[in-house]
Amino acid sequence: DQQVKQNSPSLSVQEGRISILNCDYTNSMFDYFLWYKKYPAEGPTFLISISSIKDKNEDGRFTVFLNKSAKHLSLHIVPSQPGDSAVYFCAASARGSGGGADGLTFGKGTHLIIQP
Amino acid sequence: EPEVTQTPSHQVTQMGQEVILRCVPISNHLYFYWYRQILGQKVEFLVSFYNNEISEKSEIFDDQFSVERPDGSNFTLKIRSTKLEDSAMYFCASSPQGALGKNIQYFGAGTRLSVL
Repeated sequence: DQQVKQNSPSLSVQEGRISILNCDYTNSMFDYFLWYKKYPAEGPTFLISISSIKDKNEDGRFTVFLNKSAKHLSLHIVPSQPGDSAVYFCAASARGSGGGADGLTFGKGTHLIIQP
Repeated sequence: EPEVTQTPSHQVTQMGQEVILRCVPISNHLYFYWYRQILGQKVEFLVSFYNNEISEKSEIFDDQFSVERPDGSNFTLKIRSTKLEDSAMYFCASSPQGALGKNIQYFGAGTRLSVL
C-alpha cells in the first residue's frame, strides 16, 4: 500500500547545481503535501509544504511544485550545498476523520548526496 | 527555537514487558502524534491526539497501544506487552492550531525501542 512513492532511493548532485527530488501519490483525497529532511539519529525536520490549491511554493533555495493532474510533486533545491546531504521524505495529508489532527503518509525517502 | 523532546533516546526491553515512551511537545501546540519507523521501512502514522482524546489511529495502533497526556506538558505512548516486531524508532510530533488546511508537524529526535 504505497500511497506516496519516492522511486529514487538515492540521488547524487554536484555542489552548486540543482537537486530535483520527485514524489508521486495515488490518493486523490490528499490535499496538503510536505517535504521533510532527515539526518541520521535525528527526527524529520520540516522543510516546505504546499496546499493542493496551489501549484508552486518557494522558500529561499527550496521550491515545491505540485501537478495535481499527474499526482506528482517535486522539490527543487538550488543551488545545492554540502549541508543539504540528507534523506528527504515526501509526506501527504488528507483532511479526514482527524478533525485537524490528521496523520501524515510518508514516502520511503530519497538519500541526497551533494558532491563537492 | 522550540523543539519536541523525547526520552529516552534508546530503550531496551524484554519481550512481553510494558514500555512507556515519553514526549514533551512544543508548548503552544495543540495536536500531538506518534509515528514509528521500522529499520529500512518508511515512517508510519500510529495515532493523533487532540483535546485530551484520540482523533485518529491507524491499523497498527491496536489494543496493545495507548496514549496519554498525564499533565500539561507530557505526551506518552504505552505498549502493554512488547513483541519483537515492535522494535523500531518511535517519533513524537506536534502541530499548532494553524490556518485551515495546514498540517505542519514538528518531530522529535525519536526513541529507538529494541525488544529482545
